[in-house]
Formats: sequence, structure tokens, C-alpha cells
Amino acid sequence: NAGVTQTPKFQVLKTGQSMTLQCAQDMNHNSMYWYRQDPGMGLRLIYYSASEGTTDKGEVPNGYNVSRLNKREFSLRLESAAPSQTSVYFCASSSWLFVDYNEQFFGPGTRLTVL
Amino acid sequence: GQQVMQIPQYQHVQEGEDFTTYCNSSTTLSNIQWYKQRPGGHPVFLIQLVKSGEVKKQKRLTFQFGEAKKNSSLHITATQTTDVGTYFCAGRYNTNAGKSTFGDGTTLTVKP
Repeated sequence: NAGVTQTPKFQVLKTGQSMTLQCAQDMNHNSMYWYRQDPGMGLRLIYYSASEGTTDKGEVPNGYNVSRLNKREFSLRLESAAPSQTSVYFCASSSWLFVDYNEQFFGPGTRLTVL
Repeated sequence: GQQVMQIPQYQHVQEGEDFTTYCNSSTTLSNIQWYKQRPGGHPVFLIQLVKSGEVKKQKRLTFQFGEAKKNSSLHITATQTTDVGTYFCAGRYNTNAGKSTFGDGTTLTVKP
């Protein structure tokens, strides 16, 4: 099992460009998440999907959109990239958000630079 | 919004010394998780605490959840170079609300 995979690993964009970050999990998990991590800071939740067909905003959703394509895949889109979106983006999954035990499994991350 | 404060931000120790990081919330948590992130890596789940006053051990790591369920700590006895990384707590306020809030992490460096 690959766990949680993310593509691409690295990306450089110019201000105003758009791109989609891809995430897939093979653990048959219901819930998936997108976080961003800035230097010296923790993980901030951008969007999450409790189950296939649902998505909800997290702490910092502005400038992003998401799509839960199917149970395995959850993508994050930047419509018009800004330098403030330079960060490391992590996708995560867990079996089910609304249970007491909710261990999250993280992907390797995408390092995004916006010039 | 609800916040989870984690201290210290950085800790430098000599190999063999102990290390502790603390996590605090102003409101009661339903549970708290701890994750470790190695330099350049991704967060990896360590443990979850649920009960008031709970203490759990994993080899040299001891995790505690406060009696009021507003604070937690991770203690490492006799640090090794393999302990290097950033330790995050993630608190959940309400199981029905689902998502957890991460602290900013404590970055541990160990001098051999």
C-alpha cells in the first residue's frame, strides 16, 4: 500500500497562474484533508472532506478550491496564485472524521513557491 | 477561534538530556493527538489521549493529558539523535465537529 500520495512534489508558479495539487489514498478512508505549513508554524487546515460528496472550509480557505473526485482522490486548486500562498501543502486522510479515534495519515507534501 | 498553544517553540538539548513539550487550550478538549515530523518529512501520528489524567508510554516517550483536559505534555527521557524533529499536538474540541486544531509545534535539536 502506498498510503497517501501527492503530486507534484515541487512546483514553482508565477503570480496569477493556476494549478491543481493532486492527492490520492489507498486505505479506503472516508475523510480527507488539505493543510498548509508555513515556516515555524503548525498545520493550518484549508479544506476538508468528511466523506465522498462533501467538502467544508477549514481555517484558511481563501484563494483555494477543492474537489472530492471520488473516495480515493481529493484535489486542491489555486485559481490565481499569490506569493502569500508559498508554502508546503500536505494532504491527509483518516478512516472517518466523526469518531473518537481519528488518526490522520499524511502524504509527503508539495513544496510550492509563488514568484 | 479555538487555539491550541504549544511551548516551547524550540528546544536544543545535549544527547542524553530529557525533553518536554507542552500543549495548552483555554477550553476543554475531547481528545488530543501527538505527531512527529522529521526534518523535510511529513507528520506521523504518535498517539491519541482521550481520558482525563491519562498517561501513556511508548518506550522513552511519556504522554499525559491533564485532569481538566485542557493541557497535555510529551516527555522524552534521555534524548537520542533520532528524536530530532518537530512535535505537534492536535486538539479536538468536539467529536461531532470533527476536525482537530494543530499547535505550532516544538522543534527539537539534539547535539551528539
